[in-house]
Amino acid sequence: GDSVTQMEGPVTLSEEAFLTINCTYTATGYPSLFWYVQYPGEGLQLLLKATKADDKGSNKGFEATYRKETTSFHLEKGSVQVSDSAVYFCALSKTGNQFYFGTGTSLTVIP
Amino acid sequence: DTAVSQTPKYLVTQMGNDKSIKCEQNLGHDTMYWYKQDSKKFLKIMFSYNNKELIINETVPNRFSPKSPDKAHLNLHINSLELGDSAVYFCASSQGAGQRYEQYFGPGTRLTVT
Repeated sequence: GDSVTQMEGPVTLSEEAFLTINCTYTATGYPSLFWYVQYPGEGLQLLLKATKADDKGSNKGFEATYRKETTSFHLEKGSVQVSDSAVYFCALSKTGNQFYFGTGTSLTVIP
Repeated sequence: DTAVSQTPKYLVTQMGNDKSIKCEQNLGHDTMYWYKQDSKKFLKIMFSYNNKELIINETVPNRFSPKSPDKAHLNLHINSLELGDSAVYFCASSQGAGQRYEQYFGPGTRLTVT
């Protein structure tokens, strides 16, 4: 079945470090891919998305490229801030409105 | 203006009780969802409604019953609450039933069953 696998956390980085959170997916057809962020005590917010192969989603300094050949959608940021501390979820969506979320990766950025 | 709102934010109750969580969205979206997030942050879809019609009904106990009185509202009623029902429940909405539409989440309802 369709699924999303993302790297386990927690991840702890120093401020201004480079961030990569890996995400790979299993799906037939051509899903859309998303990254959501959940700040403490809040609901999930869309961070970025890509709807077809080779698309790059970007927002707030975060980027991810939809790679069909490697079935991946890795999240990157060149210089993290303390305010980026949150849980990050990779997700895919196919027709029929079914969303599949990864297990979430907790990120803590220390000053 | 809150796009997707849920009430209550916190709910503490005893085993065996019946409780409801309400959700409203003011985005004009056609599709709404209920998710359960466990203590390890794992997010699992429970139900989805499109134009008041149930389109996703995952394997959840039949003690859980969603109700959509109109497109802007999707409530979740839980009968005979159990300890394992303790979790954070999120409501979400999206513009349509297509795969390109992102979901907008409410702030969550933390349910604690004692």
